[in-house]
Amino acid sequence: QKEVEQNSGPLSVPEGAIASLNCTYSDRGSQSFFWYRQYSGKSPELIMSIYSNGDKEDGRFTAQLNKASQYVSLLIRDSQPSDSATYLCAAGGGSARQLTFGSGTQLTVLP
Amino acid sequence: EAQVTQNPRYLITVTGKKLTVTCSQNMNHEYMSWYRQDPGLGLRQIYYSMNVEVTDKGDVPEGYKVSRKEKRNFPLILESPSPNQTSLYFCASSLQSPRGAFYNEQFFGPGTRLTVL
Repeated sequence: QKEVEQNSGPLSVPEGAIASLNCTYSDRGSQSFFWYRQYSGKSPELIMSIYSNGDKEDGRFTAQLNKASQYVSLLIRDSQPSDSATYLCAAGGGSARQLTFGSGTQLTVLP
Repeated sequence: EAQVTQNPRYLITVTGKKLTVTCSQNMNHEYMSWYRQDPGLGLRQIYYSMNVEVTDKGDVPEGYKVSRKEKRNFPLILESPSPNQTSLYFCASSLQSPRGAFYNEQFFGPGTRLTVL
């Protein structure tokens, strides 16, 4: 069973701080990596995708990928209360040739 | 507007009463998938379809059926629902690519909350 592991949290950070979310994956052949944000009772929406080692920045969000360590992270700078949600990490490809989701990390940004 | 739609959004039913949850997308995506989401377990794939008439099992297919007769529609069928199928269900779609559908963003429907009594 190919796995994607995330700290379930909950993770709380004060408004304006950096939130750091982490994810590890077991299938070394995974090729695509995604971070989805999910508000309570809503559907997941894509925040970031990353395919190559290194950092990828989009506004306040930075995704980091280290394939050697099988590790993906998401940094949220200047966190806002509206960032409070569950963040899902997903890894795609590998032997399963499908997308596998982690169980999510619940983030709360305190005003 | 590009979207994935699901119906119904909420459903309460009883054990053994057949039901169908519809899913439709207007983005001409080849790939469609069904997930269920349970507390602490994340999103688990039930079935997926690479294109019309091509379907395959995901991680938790037991008790479910699907069909893909048209590119835009991918209904989920529960022939004899049981209480352990009480869950939040999401349909998703994405473009295919030479690397595979897993390489592209998946667009999710609004979800169907199913309760089986």
